[in-house]
Amino acid sequence: EPEVTQTPSHQVTQMGQEVILRCVPISNHLYFYWYRQILGQKVEFLVSFYNNEISEKSEIFDDQFSVERPDGSNFTLKIRSTKLEDSAMYFCASSERAPLGYTFGSGTRLTVV
Amino acid sequence: SQKIEQNSEALNIQEGKTATLTCNYTNYSPAYLQWYRQDPGRGPVFLLLIRENEKEKRKERLKVTFDTTLKQSLFHITASQPADSATYLCALHTVKAAGNKLTFGGGTRVLVKP
Repeated sequence: EPEVTQTPSHQVTQMGQEVILRCVPISNHLYFYWYRQILGQKVEFLVSFYNNEISEKSEIFDDQFSVERPDGSNFTLKIRSTKLEDSAMYFCASSERAPLGYTFGSGTRLTVV
Repeated sequence: SQKIEQNSEALNIQEGKTATLTCNYTNYSPAYLQWYRQDPGRGPVFLLLIRENEKEKRKERLKVTFDTTLKQSLFHITASQPADSATYLCALHTVKAAGNKLTFGGGTRVLVKP
């Protein structure tokens, strides 16, 4: 069964530091997404990415956030200057076509101290 | 404002019985509705998708209904097993010219007791 792979599984960072979360989507999928889940809260949409550009983003996805697909396999989320409230589980997902079910990775637990 | 509401109270159910979960939404016109399972500390796992012109979908012991008039979906787990214990998430898929996104409800935790 193809998987979405996320690294690292855990990341602890100092407030104000930059972090890059990495994802390898399923190889034949065309749509890529980032979601986050603060402990005990709902899974929240951050951004969708298709054809090498952002197709939609949420209000959470402000100028501190950016996404990139630097090569044919990786998909990254960068947070430029982390805040305490950025502490959450970040999930990458991909789908073959837009309305089909998404395949999520196991997540990166980000802790900002 | 747009809302997706799932019962936040945990559903405790005896093994072998049918669990029924509800998802209600307001101010959405979803093209598709999806259900996911989430285990603690893990990413959501896709279970079923139902389109706006479909009334019912089945997959093994799972059944989903979608009523766009009532703005409601029901999710049934028949012959429930302890291994079905998890949080179940309803998600609405909206498609616009600019892009698409899946928006999740808060989930309902199901606990199946042997």
